[in-house]
Amino acid sequence: GENVEQHPSTLSVQEGDSAVIKCTYSDSASNYFPWYKQELGKRPQLIIDIRSNVGEKKDQRIAVTLNKTAKHFSLHITETQPEDSAVYFCAASSGAYAGGGADGLTFGKGTHLIIQP
Amino acid sequence: EPEVTQTPSHQVTQMGQEVILRCVPISNHLYFYWYRQILGQKVEFLVSFYNNEISEKSEIFDDQFSVERPDGSNFTLKIRSTKLEDSAMYFCASIADRGNGYTFGSGTRLTVV
Repeated sequence: GENVEQHPSTLSVQEGDSAVIKCTYSDSASNYFPWYKQELGKRPQLIIDIRSNVGEKKDQRIAVTLNKTAKHFSLHITETQPEDSAVYFCAASSGAYAGGGADGLTFGKGTHLIIQP
Repeated sequence: EPEVTQTPSHQVTQMGQEVILRCVPISNHLYFYWYRQILGQKVEFLVSFYNNEISEKSEIFDDQFSVERPDGSNFTLKIRSTKLEDSAMYFCASIADRGNGYTFGSGTRLTVV
């Protein structure tokens, strides 16, 4: 089955600086890669996702890049703000297209992002 | 914005007892999921459900677990004989089309004592 590795487990950055979180996956059939933000005691919330037919996607201060050959994808947050502090999870699945394999998400172990004022 | 609703928010049960966790997915969604998250750990896939049947399940989803959509709106997860290690936050999720981002419910914290 799919295995998703996520690094680092904890990331502390100064407010205003950029943060980068990296994930690798093992199953070459995976074609959908979402990122979730989870604040303490709350549900995971989707912040951005990317499909395997795209190499990069951006939404304001957040961007995700995907390297299919190397089987890794990354989350980039620019101009970090205190409210960005949370645990971020990457995930992968092979169910992005109708009829395509498994559709359960395999999550990474999470990155605790701390924004220092 | 439509939400996935889960009840109860917190349930405490004795080991060996049966529990049913309830979810009301977003009304036009067709694919339904249960995930769990042990405190401080990653989110883990349990089961997916489509067209009134299980479409995929993980190794965690053993014979003690079952899912049902009894009335076209509720989506339930039953654990027949709870174990201490079943203590976790259980999240329901739904999507309209596969390959779209999940909308997670607010979760049910299950504590087995």
